[in-house]
Amino acid sequence: DVKVTQSSRYLVKRTGEKVFLECVQDMDHENMFWYRQDPGLGLRLIYFSYDVKMKEKGDIPEGYSVSREKKERFSLILESASTNQTSMYLCASSSSGTIEQYFGPGTRLTVT
Amino acid sequence: RKEVEQDPGPFNVPEGATVAFNCTYSNSASQSFFWYRQDCRKEPKLLMSVYSSGNEDGRFTAQLNRASQYISLLIRDSKLSDSATYLCVVNKGGSYIPTFGRGTSLIVHP
Repeated sequence: DVKVTQSSRYLVKRTGEKVFLECVQDMDHENMFWYRQDPGLGLRLIYFSYDVKMKEKGDIPEGYSVSREKKERFSLILESASTNQTSMYLCASSSSGTIEQYFGPGTRLTVT
Repeated sequence: RKEVEQDPGPFNVPEGATVAFNCTYSNSASQSFFWYRQDCRKEPKLLMSVYSSGNEDGRFTAQLNRASQYISLLIRDSKLSDSATYLCVVNKGGSYIPTFGRGTSLIVHP
């Protein structure tokens, strides 16, 4: 059974703080993804990674960066959090050659 | 035209009804399609893949129409527990980058 975990379910940060969101998967998946989900806008892809130390920009990478030092772990970094980054952040993983993804429970981030 | 489009609904149906959702995609090179279910304030969960020949899983049937570039999800004998948002996902043509639709909300009432 695939398990994707995220470091926090709820997080409250102040404007300008550096924020780290971590995601870990236990199925040896090559691909990992970070999304944000906002009402009416659906799931939007921020960054993804096909391999260790490799990253690709998604549809909305501005204001974010990522790190993948180990295959099972994919981190999303907000260098200087802003109120418009208040959102639900979802991590997902998949095997290579498929878009069949498994999601973590999400982190609801509030930036005040 | 958006890459993947869904009617947001909500579809409000009584228990026992049959309901169908469509999801249109713009890139004719897309070849990988899935349906996910998302409950309120939860993560999306894989519901079923969509094969060219169509596939069925209990009360759920998924179909692909390549000519018109849409996939569909049919739910028969709706249950209260089917109330959720249904998301379709399509690969960006020629890649394994997923693009999600915004989802269709289903409310099944007694």
